[in-house]
Amino acid sequence: SQKIEQNSEALNIQEGKTATLTCNYTNYSPAYLQWYRQDPGRGPVFLLLIRENEKEKRKERLKVTFDTTLKQSLFHITASQPADSATYLCALDANQAGTALIFGKGTTLSVSS
Amino acid sequence: GAGVSQSPRYKVAKRGQDVALRCDPISGHVSLFWYQQALGQGPEFLTYFQNEAQLDKSGLPSDRFFAERPEGSVSTLKIQRTQQEDSAVYLCASSPLEGSNTGELFFGEGSRLTVL
Repeated sequence: SQKIEQNSEALNIQEGKTATLTCNYTNYSPAYLQWYRQDPGRGPVFLLLIRENEKEKRKERLKVTFDTTLKQSLFHITASQPADSATYLCALDANQAGTALIFGKGTTLSVSS
Repeated sequence: GAGVSQSPRYKVAKRGQDVALRCDPISGHVSLFWYQQALGQGPEFLTYFQNEAQLDKSGLPSDRFFAERPEGSVSTLKIQRTQQEDSAVYLCASSPLEGSNTGELFFGEGSRLTVL
C-alpha cells in the first residue's frame, strides 16, 4: 500500500542545534515533494518545494534534500530557535496531474532555549 | 481579505444533522483543495477543483460528503447525516496554478467540526 512516514512524532532539540526531520514514502513516484509548517490551531504554511531532478534546495536556514532512490526527503533547520517549534509536514503528489497532494502525519519539533 | 477564508471556524452538530462549510479562496486562484485533519494526524486529501470542475474526488470518504464550486470561486463542503467520526478540522487550500505540482498551496485556518 502507499505510505508516507515521518520519522518520529516528536523531536526535541536545544537552541542553536540543527534539527533533521525525515520523510519516507513507499509505492509512490512523486515528481516533487513539499514541506509545510503548521502551528496549533492554524492551517499549514508552505516552506519549500523540491523536484525529483533536484538533489537539494535551500532557503535561509532551511535545507531540503530529495533522494528518489532511497525514497526519502530530509528537512534540516540550522541554528534552530524556539520560534521554530511547530509541526512540520511533508507532502507529495499522488498523481502526475497534481490533483491530489498527500501529507504525512507530521513531526512536532520543540526547540528549547 | 488577502488570504483563504473559511467559515464557520467552529461548528457543533448533533449526530445526523447536515452541515455546510464554506471556503473563500484567494481571488483569481484556479485550484482549490479540501482536506480533513483529525487530531494529531496530517491533513487527508478529500477533493480537488480546477475552476468549477471537480477533477478529483477520490478522497471523499463516503457519499455523505459532497463538495461544489459552481462559479469557480467560493466552494462549499457539505456533510450529510453527520457521524461522530466526521469530527475533525476541515481545511481548504487554493493555488493560482493548475494542480499542486508547480507551487505552494495557500491554506485557510480551517473549520473545526465537532459531532456530538
